[in-house]
Amino acid sequence: DSGVTQTPKHLITATGQRVTLRCSPRSGDLSVYWYQQSLDQGLQFLIQYYNGEERAKGNILERFSAQQFPDLHSELNLSSLELGDSALYFCASSGGGRGFSYEQYFGPGTRLTVT
Amino acid sequence: AQSVTQPDIHITVSEGASLELRCNYSYGATPYLFWYVQSPGQGLQLLLKYFSGDTLVQGIKGFEAEFKRSQSSFNLRKPSVHWSDAAEYFCAVSPFGNEKLTFGTGTRLTIIP
Repeated sequence: DSGVTQTPKHLITATGQRVTLRCSPRSGDLSVYWYQQSLDQGLQFLIQYYNGEERAKGNILERFSAQQFPDLHSELNLSSLELGDSALYFCASSGGGRGFSYEQYFGPGTRLTVT
Repeated sequence: AQSVTQPDIHITVSEGASLELRCNYSYGATPYLFWYVQSPGQGLQLLLKYFSGDTLVQGIKGFEAEFKRSQSSFNLRKPSVHWSDAAEYFCAVSPFGNEKLTFGTGTRLTIIP
C-alpha cells in the first residue's frame, strides 16, 4: 500500500459526459501528479500541483482540468468525454516539502471507460 | 526533451534464471532515475531509484540497478527470478526531484516454470 488513495476505482460513462476523479496523497506529501495510461500512448504525465498551486503541465487536453485543495487532496475533472479518453488514470504524490524525498508514490488508479 | 527507451517489449525467462531489463535515457545531464513495476490491474510500485552516489543501487524484492553514465543506461537486474516477478516493468526519468516522470514504454516479463 503506497498510502495514495484514489476514488472511484472504476468509472463507466457515456460520451459527452463529465466525471471527477479524486486523489488523496500520502500524509505530508505536498506534490500531486496526474498520469494517464493507455494502450496507444503509454504512461503520460498530465499535470502537477504543489501545495495548492499548479506547477507543471504536460499533455493535458483543454477538456481536462485539475485542482488541489487546502487539505492537499486533488481532483481531476474530465469533460465532454470521448471514446479515446478511456484509460487508466493514476495519481502520484511526493514529499516536495520535506527532506530529499523525490520519489513518486502511485495510487491504484481509476479505470475510466467511455461508451 | 528527455526520453526513455526500453528496447525489449516482452521478455520470457525461466524461474530461477537471472534477469536484466534494459533502459536507456536521453538527457543532457544526469537525471533522477527510477524503476517501477506494475502487476496486472494494479498501480505502479517503486522498485528502486538513483539520484547520485554509488552507481549500483539496491531495491525491493531483490532487484538492483546499475547507472552507467557513459552508456546513458540504467539496467535492472535480478539474480534469480520468482514466478511472482511476472509483471510489467517501467523505467522512468525526471530532470530534477519532484518533477514529472517520463516513462519508457515498458517491458512485459513472463516467467516460465
